[in-house]
Amino acid sequence: EAGVAQSPRYKIIEKRQSVAFWCNPISGHATLYWYQQILGQGPKLLIQFQNNGVVDDSQLPKDRFSAERLKGVDSTLKIQPAKLEDSAVYLCASSSLTRTSGGRGYEQYFGPGTRLTVT
Amino acid sequence: ILNVEQSPQSLHVQEGDSTNFTCSFPSSNFYALHWYRWETAKSPEALFVMTLNGDEKKKGRISATLNTKEGYSYLYIKGSQPEDSATYLCAFSGRASGSRLTFGEGTQLTVNP
Repeated sequence: EAGVAQSPRYKIIEKRQSVAFWCNPISGHATLYWYQQILGQGPKLLIQFQNNGVVDDSQLPKDRFSAERLKGVDSTLKIQPAKLEDSAVYLCASSSLTRTSGGRGYEQYFGPGTRLTVT
Repeated sequence: ILNVEQSPQSLHVQEGDSTNFTCSFPSSNFYALHWYRWETAKSPEALFVMTLNGDEKKKGRISATLNTKEGYSYLYIKGSQPEDSATYLCAFSGRASGSRLTFGEGTQLTVNP
């Protein structure tokens, strides 16, 4: 089974520029998550999709960040314009719709992330 | 705001040493506690998902315990090897939060040969 794919792996941009990240979840996984992990901190959920609908975007800075999941499969996360404090690793994860048996509780599978540096 | 804390923040051990880390989390509305290992430039890898008070899980030299009443989990590594060097993250999910995970800041382990 192929894992979660993300691209690009690394990106360096100047502040005020725009950037987009792409994620392809595990086939059949209805739920997709974008996390931001700033150095020295734990991953923070930015947005959660179930199929192509947004479940939770309470921590997404909507003035500059946007995300979409057209057709309920791939997703893109965009930052426009970028700020220095957006330098982070952006992780995408996916999970199946239902809590699995044995109490595994919505196990999430992560991609390798995109490391963004804003200069 | 949920508070998930991990300690220590970083740890350096010698090959062969055994070590352990702590994750503390809210004891109310608990649903599951996840442990992940995240090696540099790789995907975070799920180690354990624990849901029941008193759960103990083991995977090779790594094991974890769970105390939901007092809100903590321990991760143990027996006979550390250089390939165990990684950041170990715990994440909490509550009954009301669905699949949303709240992560701790992680413990960065370095195992010196």
